Amino acid sequence: NAGVTQTPKFQVLKTGQSMTLQCAQDMNHEYMSWYRQDPGMGLRLIHYSVGAGITDQGEVPNGYNVSRSTTEDFPLRLLSAAPSQTSVYFCASSYAQGISTDTQYFGPGTRLTVL
Amino acid sequence: AQSVTQPDIHITVSEGASLELRCNYSYGATPYLFWYVQSPGQGLQLLLKYFSGDTLVQGIKGFEAEFKRSQSSFNLRKPSVHWSDAAEYFCAVGTGGSYIPTFGRGTSLIVHP
Repeated sequence: NAGVTQTPKFQVLKTGQSMTLQCAQDMNHEYMSWYRQDPGMGLRLIHYSVGAGITDQGEVPNGYNVSRSTTEDFPLRLLSAAPSQTSVYFCASSYAQGISTDTQYFGPGTRLTVL
Repeated sequence: AQSVTQPDIHITVSEGASLELRCNYSYGATPYLFWYVQSPGQGLQLLLKYFSGDTLVQGIKGFEAEFKRSQSSFNLRKPSVHWSDAAEYFCAVGTGGSYIPTFGRGTSLIVHP
């Protein structure tokens, strides 16, 4: 199994540009989520999904969109990039234990810089 | 809603010394507790987790953690630190009604030779 994969690893955008960060998992996990990591702020949840066709907002959703058309893929879209979105982005997935939390499996991250 | 606090932003230890990283949570019922490690430039990896049962949990890489309900704590310990343990450590808490855990802000471990 490849686990959780993210592309690209690095990206530089100009303010106002849009782009999609890709995330895929091959473990048949129902839950998937996107975090951003900033110095001193830990991991902050952007959006999450509990299954195909179901998404919800996390702590910091503004400026980001997600969709979940398949179990495997959970792309994160930046609609109009801003310098405040410069960060490291992590995708994670986990098994569903009813509605309980379980181990998160993380991708290697995407380092995004917005100029 | 649940929350988790890691009081120490940085911890410095000498190689071979013992280690304890603190984690305190806030939740009314029994939480699900996790410790993750993040090596530089990498994603997070699970060290150990507590769901129920024995309050002393063993994990990978020689780490252990103890759940203390009376203190709302889940501190991570290692008897002898190796230089390769230098990393960022995150405590996380989940509940029976949450799909996604809540993460602490992390503790950066620095290991001196």
